Amino acid sequence: SQKIEQNSEALNIQEGKTATLTCNYTNYSPAYLQWYRQDPGRGPVFLLLIRENEKEKRKERLKVTFDTTLKQSLFHITASQPADSATYLCAPSGGSYIPTFGRGTSLIVHP
Amino acid sequence: EPEVTQTPSHQVTQMGQEVILRCVPISNHLYFYWYRQILGQKVEFLVSFYNNEISEKSEIFDDQFSVERPDGSNFTLKIRSTKLEDSAMYFCASSGQGAFEKLFFGSGTQLSVL
Repeated sequence: SQKIEQNSEALNIQEGKTATLTCNYTNYSPAYLQWYRQDPGRGPVFLLLIRENEKEKRKERLKVTFDTTLKQSLFHITASQPADSATYLCAPSGGSYIPTFGRGTSLIVHP
Repeated sequence: EPEVTQTPSHQVTQMGQEVILRCVPISNHLYFYWYRQILGQKVEFLVSFYNNEISEKSEIFDDQFSVERPDGSNFTLKIRSTKLEDSAMYFCASSGQGAFEKLFFGSGTQLSVL
């Protein structure tokens, strides 16, 4: 069955550093992968979508990579700020696959 | 910026009762979805809706659930006979670029079944 793995433990970093979150998936080949941010008690907010033919995508301080061979996506936040503290969800999707969200990784940025 | 609106924000009901959760998707979007999130767990897909019919549904979306787009703006999720395990946050989402791409989520309805 399809499986998505994200760092289960919270990632604690200092303000100004780069946060790197990992998303691994198994048993399927999504055409694209999406990243969302979720704050407590709120709905997910779309951040970035990267397609299988794209190696890297950037938006402001965010960067996503997609390695279809490794079946992995990395999500980077550069110059992190306390306001970036949230849970980040990955959702491999596309083709015949309904986007299934991972459990998410909690990011805590300390001032 | 346009947003997806959900009402009510909280709903408390007795087991066995019917509930209707309401959503107003973004006006020019064509794809509509319901997801749910049990406290402390991941966001789970329930159903997608396109062109006035269900396009995909998960195993969770059994005969107790139904969706409807009664007019040009509302999108509803009905649970016919609620169970304790239906207690969760229910999120409505919509997208305009393509099925399951760049979903815009509402703030959710917290359903508590007693």
